[in-house]
Amino acid sequence: EVQLVESGGGLVQPGGSLRLSCAASKFTFSHYWMTWARQAPGKGLEWVATIKQDGNDKFYVDSVKGRFTISRDNGNNSLYLQMNSLRVEDTAVYYCARDVFCFGGSCYSEVLRYWGQGTRVTVSS
Amino acid sequence: DIQMTQSPSSLSASVGDTVTITCQASHDILNFLNWYQHKPGKAPKLLIFGASTLETGVPSRFSGSGSGTHFTFTISSLQPEDVATYYCQQHEDVPFYTFGQGTKLEIK
Repeated sequence: EVQLVESGGGLVQPGGSLRLSCAASKFTFSHYWMTWARQAPGKGLEWVATIKQDGNDKFYVDSVKGRFTISRDNGNNSLYLQMNSLRVEDTAVYYCARDVFCFGGSCYSEVLRYWGQGTRVTVSS
Repeated sequence: DIQMTQSPSSLSASVGDTVTITCQASHDILNFLNWYQHKPGKAPKLLIFGASTLETGVPSRFSGSGSGTHFTFTISSLQPEDVATYYCQQHEDVPFYTFGQGTKLEIK
């Protein structure tokens, strides 16, 4: 069974930084795009960022552009989210999810079938 | 951006009832619409993909329909374990996914 385990959350002051990690197992990590999503308190799910399988292309929701950086280490089956200049409104549970499947030069749209259980980020003074 | 408008935001029903949630897309998304169940402290769980295809292992009391801009999600014979928040999500515009606002389902 696919496993995704997030870590790195915590309490940080506004303007501070955090680095989230997502450890992936039980699938060929390097064949998949990976996505971060979040849920703020009392709010719904929100897509945050996606990275292609080779790390060469990255996509972000407008509200985090220039502040967050998604990256990956295919050798260690790990996904990261570097969050800088954090704001109170970034307070949320952050989830990683497995995304598009790519193999042999072709990619196939996949639903976000597998998610981790999330890591909580609190931005507060 | 594709906006997803989901309603109602909350609903309360009795065990055995049939409940329906709707989701409207701001643009034609064909059938690139998924439904998730989300319980506190848990990972979101995929229930329906392709607007109407039941994910493996999901009870048949869950169903979805629709295409284009209007979609419906139904739980027939509501069970206590169905208490959760439900979300629609479009993936026509990959990877700029958008979710509906969510529907919090409670048991009367």
